[in-house]
Amino acid sequence: DAKTTQPPSMDCAEGRAANLPCNHSTISGNEYVYWYRQIHSQGPQYIIHGLKNNETNEMASLIITEDRKSSTLILPHATLRDTAVYYCIVRALNFGNEKLTFGTGTRLTIIP
Amino acid sequence: DTEVTQTPKHLVMGMTNKKSLKCEQHMGHRAMYWYKQKAKKPPELMFVYSYEKLSINESVPSRFSPECPNSSLLNLHLHALQPEDSALYLCASSQDLGSSYNSPLHFGNGTRLTVT
Repeated sequence: DAKTTQPPSMDCAEGRAANLPCNHSTISGNEYVYWYRQIHSQGPQYIIHGLKNNETNEMASLIITEDRKSSTLILPHATLRDTAVYYCIVRALNFGNEKLTFGTGTRLTIIP
Repeated sequence: DTEVTQTPKHLVMGMTNKKSLKCEQHMGHRAMYWYKQKAKKPPELMFVYSYEKLSINESVPSRFSPECPNSSLLNLHLHALQPEDSALYLCASSQDLGSSYNSPLHFGNGTRLTVT
């Protein structure tokens, strides 16, 4: 699996959009970009994933650059409950190589 | 709330004990996973089961023994653990492996294990 690089920590004011960057410059053509978050004392929670098109769901938006070497997770109106560690993961989906390998993530703190 | 249920939530065991961690899902998923997470570290993959057969073993010591009795249940049997095995053990499931439909993993909230 390709490796990802994320800033170790970020702050965001409550009510503002939180933009979390991720670099994955060695991503392969068959690898998807996944985002998970982990709130203290809970299991990781799936947020969103994409291959090359931008994606949006009820939780967040995912913007992937045209060359697919980086992406940004956007939480449009951050709340205190969004404080968590956010993991950007690239994952191949060819049979036998479906591992979800976590990097060190970004610790996002939402400031009241 | 999570759709993957892990029991117990907390477990304290001695180095000579034998215990088991249990995981259950009723989403019809055919792939199930065990991860281990040390404090302030990301989760690390241990095992993957696909259609009740062991698919991936990440060179985990034999004192950890997984079992998948049916498609809804996943166990992790523990024997002769060391204090450094103390961690949060996370179970996850996904629709299946190797599908063109890319299936996210759904995680439980884990069992916090302390080995004394």
